[in-house]
Amino acid sequence: EPEVTQTPSHQVTQMGQEVILRCVPISNHLYFYWYRQILGQKVEFLVSFYNNEISEKSEIFDDQFSVERPDGSNFTLKIRSTKLEDSAMYFCASGGGAGGNNSPLHFGNGTRLTVT
Amino acid sequence: GENVEQHPSTLSVQEGDSAVIKCTYSDSASNYFPWYKQELGKGPQLIIDIRSNVGEKKDQRIAVTLNKTAKHFSLHITETQPEDSAVYFCAAKDTGFQKLVFGTGTRLLVSP
Repeated sequence: EPEVTQTPSHQVTQMGQEVILRCVPISNHLYFYWYRQILGQKVEFLVSFYNNEISEKSEIFDDQFSVERPDGSNFTLKIRSTKLEDSAMYFCASGGGAGGNNSPLHFGNGTRLTVT
Repeated sequence: GENVEQHPSTLSVQEGDSAVIKCTYSDSASNYFPWYKQELGKGPQLIIDIRSNVGEKKDQRIAVTLNKTAKHFSLHITETQPEDSAVYFCAAKDTGFQKLVFGTGTRLLVSP
């Protein structure tokens, strides 16, 4: 069964450094998402991406964050200058195709980002 | 915006018992309600979903019910097994928007 893959599984970085989290969505999906989960808390929406542009973003997704689909397969989340409070699990998700944005979302296994 | 509440936060049952997890939502425009299972170190895995044009959906030992009037929906797991132990999240979405709003999660522990 097709799945969303994310790399790396764990990223440790120093405060102020830039990080790029990578995702390969399911190949025929058209809608792409980033969510994050601070340890022990609920999953929070960051941003959705469709047709090569951001379609919706949360208040968490400030100017330090950006997303990109640099080629036909990858979907990346960049944090320009990491803060301690950015430490969390970051999940990529994809959905869509014939069902449009009402299709179920499928999540990757996440990247654990630790900012020291 | 949408707000999803989930109860209980933890649920312990004996193998073979049933488990019920309940969620309420605030936005009457929401019309898609998925349930996700999250095992340790993994991402949320969709286990069942329901749309607002139906009141109940079943898939083997798992069922979901939706009461649009009361704005609540529930997950029912029958004949629980130890491998059902995980954190379960409910979520809600409005077709006019793309984001899922998640509940706070229920840690289900099934003891053999």
